[in-house]
Amino acid sequence: GENVEQHPSTLSVQEGDSAVIKCTYSDSASNYFPWYKQELGKRPQLIIDIRSNVGEKKDQRIAVTLNKTAKHFSLHITETQPEDSAVYFCAASLDSSYKLIFGSGTRLLVRP
Amino acid sequence: SQTIHQWPATLVQPVGSPLSLECTVEGTSNPNLYWYRQAAGRGLQLLFYSVGIGQISSEVPQNLSASRPQDRQFILSSKKLLLSDSGFYLCAWSPGGEGRYFGPGTRLTVL
Repeated sequence: GENVEQHPSTLSVQEGDSAVIKCTYSDSASNYFPWYKQELGKRPQLIIDIRSNVGEKKDQRIAVTLNKTAKHFSLHITETQPEDSAVYFCAASLDSSYKLIFGSGTRLLVRP
Repeated sequence: SQTIHQWPATLVQPVGSPLSLECTVEGTSNPNLYWYRQAAGRGLQLLFYSVGIGQISSEVPQNLSASRPQDRQFILSSKKLLLSDSGFYLCAWSPGGEGRYFGPGTRLTVL
């Protein structure tokens, strides 16, 4: 089955710097890759997703890139702000599958 | 728009007591429904998913069970809680196999 590894487990950046979180997946058939942000005590919220027919997707300060050959995808946050501080989870699945496999999470701290 | 509700928001239960957590979705029909558990500071563990009324798939064998008595209602139950059942329980729905939309969660503490 699918396995998703996420790095780093914690990341501390200065406000205004960029942050990059990386995930690798094992099943080459996976074709859907969402990212979730979870603030302390709150529910995870979908912030961006990408499908395997696209190499990059942007939404304001966040972007996701996908390398199907290497089976890895990354979340990029530019011009980080303190409110970006949260735990971020990547995930992978096959569209027709109901098993969305999550990474172990990255705790991002943006220092003012 | 779609809305997902969970209750209760918090729950403290003694070991060996029963459990019933409820989740309902509004604004969509025939959603896929999921129960996840998140231990403190940890990732998301899929417990059950359902693609229709009465259709439940279990991902992790344990003392929990799930039921879907109505199209937009999903219930998580246990006959006897264990200490290890403590955690943050999240219900989620999806339109097909894509991204999950999570409910507000139930924080369960088993003492």
